[in-house]
Amino acid sequence: QVQLVQSGAEVKKPGASVKVSCKTSGYTFTGFYIHWVRQAPGQGLEYMGWINPHSGDTKFVQRFQGRVTMTRDTSISTAYMDLSRLKSDDTAVYYCARSPIAAAELDPWGQGTLVTVSS
Amino acid sequence: EIVLTQSPGTLSLSPGERATLSCRASQSVSLNYLAWYQQKPGQAPRLLIYDASRRATGIPDRFSGSVSGTDFTLTISRLEPEDFAVYYCQQYGNSPATFGQGTKVEIK
Repeated sequence: QVQLVQSGAEVKKPGASVKVSCKTSGYTFTGFYIHWVRQAPGQGLEYMGWINPHSGDTKFVQRFQGRVTMTRDTSISTAYMDLSRLKSDDTAVYYCARSPIAAAELDPWGQGTLVTVSS
Repeated sequence: EIVLTQSPGTLSLSPGERATLSCRASQSVSLNYLAWYQQKPGQAPRLLIYDASRRATGIPDRFSGSVSGTDFTLTISRLEPEDFAVYYCQQYGNSPATFGQGTKVEIK
């Protein structure tokens, strides 16, 4: 079955960077986009952007431009999301999710990775 | 970017009742590309409906979606105990994709 398994929780200091991984299985990794969505504690969902694992092309929401990098390693069917210059309000659960094309529904989702930014 | 406004914020209902959740877009959503997700505490969101009215694989037929202009609706015909959760709409027809703020369906 299709699975997206994310890396474990992280605690970072303000100004640091974090890299979250999303290991996929059960389908052809390069045939589907990977999106990243985050959710601050007790809040709603916030869309961040996507990567096309086939081409490596990426697109981010404007507010994350310059701070986020999305990459992939096709040899191990894994996508990565790097967020730099962390601030306390970056504390959130970060999810990866799959879609067949860039503009499509997200299904399924990874289990989420809690990133805590605290001094 | 398109702003999605969900209402009500909280819906208090009893099992067996009908739930009607609204998601209003600030402008037309291209091709009615809108999805609904269910999220339970401590879990990732789960896709229920996509393209406004298509049920995702394995989703019971008590869940249905509809659209009229920029107004999207998720209906749960008869609430089961496992349906009490938070529901989010998301549009993906216009870049960037955006989510509504969520509607919590709680037990009355």
